[in-house]
Amino acid sequence: DVKVTQSSRYLVKRTGEKVFLECVQDMDHENMFWYRQDPGLGLRLIYFSYDVKMKEKGDIPEGYSVSREKKERFSLILESASTNQTSMYLCASSFQTRTNEKLFFGSGTQLSVL
Amino acid sequence: DQQVKQNSPSLSVQEGRISILNCDYTNSMFDYFLWYKKYPAEGPTFLISISSIKDKNEDGRFTVFLNKSAKHLSLHIVPSQPGDSAVYFCAASARETSGSRLTFGEGTQLTVNP
Repeated sequence: DVKVTQSSRYLVKRTGEKVFLECVQDMDHENMFWYRQDPGLGLRLIYFSYDVKMKEKGDIPEGYSVSREKKERFSLILESASTNQTSMYLCASSFQTRTNEKLFFGSGTQLSVL
Repeated sequence: DQQVKQNSPSLSVQEGRISILNCDYTNSMFDYFLWYKKYPAEGPTFLISISSIKDKNEDGRFTVFLNKSAKHLSLHIVPSQPGDSAVYFCAASARETSGSRLTFGEGTQLTVNP
């Protein structure tokens, strides 16, 4: 079974803190994604990566950055956390084909910024 | 600009009856559509998909219908079971222009009552 592991289930941070969310997948997937899920807004794509050291902006990249130094690990970074970044963060991965939309998701990290 | 919309935040049905979840889209470039299911405290999991060259795809109790002229798709679950209670997300991709990058709807909470 594909396993996508997010390092924390719940996280509480203060405004202005630098926050790291870690994601690791064990299926040698090329593609990795970070989404946030908010009530009434569904899942929105923050950043994605098609290969090591590559990154692409999603629909809502402002206030976030990412790092992909190794194929299995994709980190989301909140440079200076703000209250409007309180959300459920979901990491996903998939094989790299042009026509593969079957994503495997982690269980999510519920981040609260106070 | 919500390109994929699920207008019903919630739906409640009796066990054994049909569940119909609806989804509308505005981007005419979308050519591949998917449904994901999400249980509490878990990440979304892929359920069923359909290409724009088809108008129906069936997998066991789950059938997805696509009406391209109306830019509408629906997910039918027959018969519904209590274990189907979850949040269902509709998603779409524009393979020709954006590859497998997905745009998600807001989600519909389905509750199947015993």
